[in-house]
Amino acid sequence: AQTVTQSQPEMSVQEAETVTLSCTYDTSENNYYLFWYKQPPSRQMILVIRQEAYKQQNATENRFSVNFQKAAKSFSLKISDSQLGDTAMYFCALPHTGNQFYFGTGTSLTVIP
Amino acid sequence: KAGVTQTPRYLIKTRGQQVTLSCSPISGHRSVSWYQQTPGQGLQFLFEYFSETQRNKGNFPGRFSGRQFSNSRSEMNVSTLELGDSALYLCASSLNFRYEQYFGPGTRLTVT
Repeated sequence: AQTVTQSQPEMSVQEAETVTLSCTYDTSENNYYLFWYKQPPSRQMILVIRQEAYKQQNATENRFSVNFQKAAKSFSLKISDSQLGDTAMYFCALPHTGNQFYFGTGTSLTVIP
Repeated sequence: KAGVTQTPRYLIKTRGQQVTLSCSPISGHRSVSWYQQTPGQGLQFLFEYFSETQRNKGNFPGRFSGRQFSNSRSEMNVSTLELGDSALYLCASSLNFRYEQYFGPGTRLTVT
């Protein structure tokens, strides 16, 4: 069965600092993708970053990067130079058969000025 | 390219009524998925349509149904509304299986 676990319900970080959000997952598949989404107070879900499991190199998108450890089934998100606009709920997601995405319970991140 | 659009954005219904929500995917996207988001249950998958066919269905009662049209637009219907159906309903479109999903702004449904 597919499962996604985010063990940090809430986190805070000072503006300009770096923060890491954790995600672990379980899947029986060998080739898969992983995603991080953010949901700001507007409730619009926004894609942050994507990782393909067959790629050993960690994905990066500007200030966002991941630490993907396939053997440990860990997929953490690092946000560098945190900005006030990064305040949001962050969801880790794992797609499964028929494009069904499994989402974690989310981490609420607050960036403190 | 225009993003995913959902209508209406807000809806208030009474218990026992039925409701239809609409979703227009990004142009060229053939897969449309629907999710229910509530504070208690988080994001839960309802169903996914691809080329007018339901490809997968989540663990929801038969009161929840959907369809997809030839232009990839999708609708979901909830019949005999219950208080517990109050939620944010999110629609997402993608090119195909396992591609990133792009979400609409959601429809906030309140059942009284």
